[in-house]
Formats: sequence, structure tokens, C-alpha cells
Amino acid sequence: GIQVEQSPPDLILQEGANSTLRCNFSDSVNNLQWFHQNPWGQLINLFYIPSGTKQNGRLSATTVATERYSLLYISSSQTTDSGVYFCAGGPNEKLTFGTGTRLTIIP
Amino acid sequence: DGGITQSPKYLFRKEGQNVTLSCEQNLNHDAMYWYRQDPGQGLRLIYYSQIVNDFQKGDIAEGYSVSREKKESFPLTVTSAQKNPTAFYLCASSSRTGSVFGQETQYFGPGTRLLVL
Repeated sequence: GIQVEQSPPDLILQEGANSTLRCNFSDSVNNLQWFHQNPWGQLINLFYIPSGTKQNGRLSATTVATERYSLLYISSSQTTDSGVYFCAGGPNEKLTFGTGTRLTIIP
Repeated sequence: DGGITQSPKYLFRKEGQNVTLSCEQNLNHDAMYWYRQDPGQGLRLIYYSQIVNDFQKGDIAEGYSVSREKKESFPLTVTSAQKNPTAFYLCASSSRTGSVFGQETQYFGPGTRLLVL
């Protein structure tokens, strides 16, 4: 099956800083999504982005499908951005999740 | 309010006992999913269903069973055959929109934490 590698595993930043999270896939995917898991365990879908670039407020994502990676950008970080960010991908509805990047924003 | 509800929030299982986790959605989504999350890990797919009365095994289906008798409901039973059931269980759903089914945004419920006594 598809292997999903996320980096970095942990990231600690001061409030207001920018960050880039990366996700590499071992094979091509037609379905690629980014999620944020808050400290209480709730997962929120951030982007459905099998290719191209999307932006939503301070967050944006870019997927280069031919090179099998995706990037999530967070600008002007706020403490509410803390949590674990997961990418997940697959050929169809069967998503394989990475192990996540734990982001901690310090006030 | 549209969304996905899971109950209970916490569940305790005794040795040899089967327990059932509830997942209900009022988003009119066709597809529903069950995932398991262990501490410090990503999510792993247990079962998924694309339509009523049909479901498919995911990557870790052994020791679990599901049913899909209604579009809005997808209960998961953790059987006594699942020897290590302690985990956080998450239910998700997605709609059949667009030209290619299976590539839609997944929305998650709040989860159920299962602990073994």
C-alpha cells in the first residue's frame, strides 16, 4: 500500500511565525487531504487538494502530483493553530494517513 | 445543525465482551468510514461503506464488524476477537459529488475513546 511520510514530526514556534509542513507519498494519489486535529481529538478538514494550490485565510496548500508531495503553509501563526496536522492520500476513498506534525504555538 | 455524532464519548469494555459504537450523520452523505487512532499515530481505516447495505473491509478489519441498514447510521462493533481494542475511534462521512466517486472531502465526528478494564 501507499506510504505517507510527514515532516517535521514536531514544530514549536512563536506566535506570529510562519511554517511549512511537508507530506511525501510513495505512489501517485488521486485523493489527497489535509486535516487539523485539535487537543480534544476533533479532526477538521483543511483542504482537499490532489493537485494545484488552494488558499483559505492564513492557510494554503500546494500539491505537486508528478513529484508526489504536498506542502501546507501556515502564516502568522496563532495559539489556536496548535495541534496535530495530518495529510492523507490514496487512489480513491481509501485514505492512508501519515503520522502527523505536532505544531505548538507559544504566545 | 448538520454534522456527525458519535456516542458514547467514553466506553469501557470487559474481557470477552462485545461493544458497539454509534455513528450518526445528518449530512445526507452516501459514504461513511470508521478509523482507529492509537496514541501518537495516524488514523487507520477499519471499514467503509459507499451505500446502504454494502460495506468493505479496510486495512485493519479483523476483530470488528459493521452494518449499514440506514443511510444516516454506521455502527461499529468491537468484538471479543479484537485483542487490543484500547484506542480512539473516529467515524467520518463524505458525499458522492463530482465526476469521480471516492475523491470527496471527509468530515469527522468527535470520536469515542474505548478502554479495556
